[in-house]
Amino acid sequence: DVKVTQSSRYLVKRTGEKVFLECVQDMDHENMFWYRQDPGLGLRLIYFSYDVKMKEKGDIPEGYSVSREKKERFSLILESASTNQTSMYLCASSQIQGATNEKLFFGSGTQLSVL
Amino acid sequence: EDQVTQSPEALRLQEGESSSLNCSYTVSGLRGLFWYRQDPGKGPEFLFTLYSAGEEKEKERLKATLTKKESFLHITAPKPEDSATYLCAVQEASGGSYIPTFGRGTSLIVHP
Repeated sequence: DVKVTQSSRYLVKRTGEKVFLECVQDMDHENMFWYRQDPGLGLRLIYFSYDVKMKEKGDIPEGYSVSREKKERFSLILESASTNQTSMYLCASSQIQGATNEKLFFGSGTQLSVL
Repeated sequence: EDQVTQSPEALRLQEGESSSLNCSYTVSGLRGLFWYRQDPGKGPEFLFTLYSAGEEKEKERLKATLTKKESFLHITAPKPEDSATYLCAVQEASGGSYIPTFGRGTSLIVHP
């Protein structure tokens, strides 16, 4: 089975800190995604990547950046954390676009609290 | 306006009480519709993919169906372990992007 691993289950940071969220997948998937999930708002796409060093903005990219230097690793960076970035962050991966079943495989999530 | 709308937002059932969750969508062309299950504090897990109207998929007590405008997730004789949030996601065929759009989910609680 595909495994998507997020480096931290819980994180507590202070306002203004630079925060790195790491995600690694072990099935050679081309696509990787970062979502945030908030009560009542559902899953919202922050950024996605369809290849190494490639990235595309999602619906809510403001305040975030990403890095994909290796195929298996996709990092989400909060340049200067703010309290409104307190949320559950979910990483996901999928096979290349056009595959017969483009389902997403999710990590367990990182609950980030910014104080 | 949301492209994917799930209803109800929350549903409480007694064990054995069958019901259905709804996912309606407004994309112009459907490439695929996905159902996921999410347990508290965990990431969503894939359940089904549906591609065309009339298609049905089953897994244990769950059955997903698809029409041209909506999908239903039928839960037959649910058990407490079916309690979770169920997410629907839609992939649009046009525009060149295959990024799925998620609904806000239905939180299901099954009481013993």
